[in-house]
Amino acid sequence: QKEVEQNSGPLSVPEGAIASLNCTYSDRGSQSFFWYRQYSGKSPELIMFIYSNGDKEDGRFTAQLNKASQYVSLLIRDSQPSDSATYLCAVRYSGAGSYQLTFGKGTKLSVIP
Amino acid sequence: DGGITQSPKYLFRKEGQNVTLSCEQNLNHDAMYWYRQDPGQGLRLIYYSQIVNDFQKGDIAEGYSVSREKKESFPLTVTSAQKNPTAFYLCATGLAGGYEQYFGPGTRLTVT
Repeated sequence: QKEVEQNSGPLSVPEGAIASLNCTYSDRGSQSFFWYRQYSGKSPELIMFIYSNGDKEDGRFTAQLNKASQYVSLLIRDSQPSDSATYLCAVRYSGAGSYQLTFGKGTKLSVIP
Repeated sequence: DGGITQSPKYLFRKEGQNVTLSCEQNLNHDAMYWYRQDPGQGLRLIYYSQIVNDFQKGDIAEGYSVSREKKESFPLTVTSAQKNPTAFYLCATGLAGGYEQYFGPGTRLTVT
């Protein structure tokens, strides 16, 4: 059973702080990892993807991947109230059906002004 | 204007009726996917298609059917055999063999 685990939250951070969102996955053969942002009532929006161990930065967002420990994280610097949303972690596993993404249930982030 | 369109945004049906959800894209993506999202649940894959005239079952295909007659279109039919059809349905697209998937705005289906 391929699983992606996220803390459901809510995670509350003050405006301007760093928000840290974490995700663990069960299959060591996983190839690629994605973070989606979903505002209430809307569809998910892809904000970051990472394929190699280490950090990947894009503006205020940094994705971190540690394949040995099987976790991926998303850091949001200088958090803004507009970052308040549910963040979904998705993993593409290797092998048969590798076109599929497996999603976590999401972490709800609340940025307090 | 490129993008993924899903229609309608809201759909109401009586139990026992089949209903078809539309998904159209002009991104020239080969791959298309249908997901279902329930409150407090992760997205679950219903069907996917990597190429025209071919599609595969996802994790929860029972009670659903699809067709892929054109590259741009991947309609999903929710049949009366689907026991709990009320959900938020999301269509996604991506490049063939590619990794990233991009979502349409979704259709919220309510069956009473």
